[in-house]
Amino acid sequence: QVQLQESGPGLVKPSETLSLTCTVSGGSISRDSYYWGWIRQPPGKGLECIGSVFYTGSTLYNPSLRNRLTISVDASKKQFSLKLSSVTAADTALYYCARQIGGAPDWYFDLWGRGTLVTVSS
Amino acid sequence: SFVPTQPPSVSVAPGKTARIPCDGDNIGDETVHWYQQKPGQAPVLVVYDNSVRPSGIPERFSGSNSGNTATLTINRVEAGDEADFYCQVWDIISDHVVFGGGTKLTVL
Repeated sequence: QVQLQESGPGLVKPSETLSLTCTVSGGSISRDSYYWGWIRQPPGKGLECIGSVFYTGSTLYNPSLRNRLTISVDASKKQFSLKLSSVTAADTALYYCARQIGGAPDWYFDLWGRGTLVTVSS
Repeated sequence: SFVPTQPPSVSVAPGKTARIPCDGDNIGDETVHWYQQKPGQAPVLVVYDNSVRPSGIPERFSGSNSGNTATLTINRVEAGDEADFYCQVWDIISDHVVFGGGTKLTVL
């Protein structure tokens, strides 16, 4: 079955760039039915959708993060990546990657990775 | 953007019915999805497209959406249902996914 696994540094310094990768196993990343997304959850708080990417590279971004955000895909490696620049302590969170399905305006996430904690601290 | 509103907490006795609301202006015109997140775990989709259960989700879980409120209903609540529940919609104006603030379900 399809599985998603996040990877990347657990500690990032303020003002630097947070970089994470999600690897998809057990299935294809190049399907017309799916976007591939990133969601984060600050400690003790709720979920926030960061954005998502189609296998062709087309993206959907949270407007509040758009000016710091880059989400890309490498279909040959079955990976998609998140880069968030100029981070502050407010970006400390558990970061999940997930499969986005449904099609606009009915997108939802049917499969999630286990999440990876990223702490922003000097 | 359109941000649905959820109560911070709902409590219910075992065996009873829990109803978790997700409020928003004319949310009945939107498509709502629901996730369950147990402590230390990733969220799990429990209802999509307002009322459809994914494979493997017990029939005790159901969803509805009308007017200004979408509702996740859990019948015959069990201790193992204790979790945070999030509703989710698509913001058609800004083209991105929006989650409600989440509701903590406590089984008394």
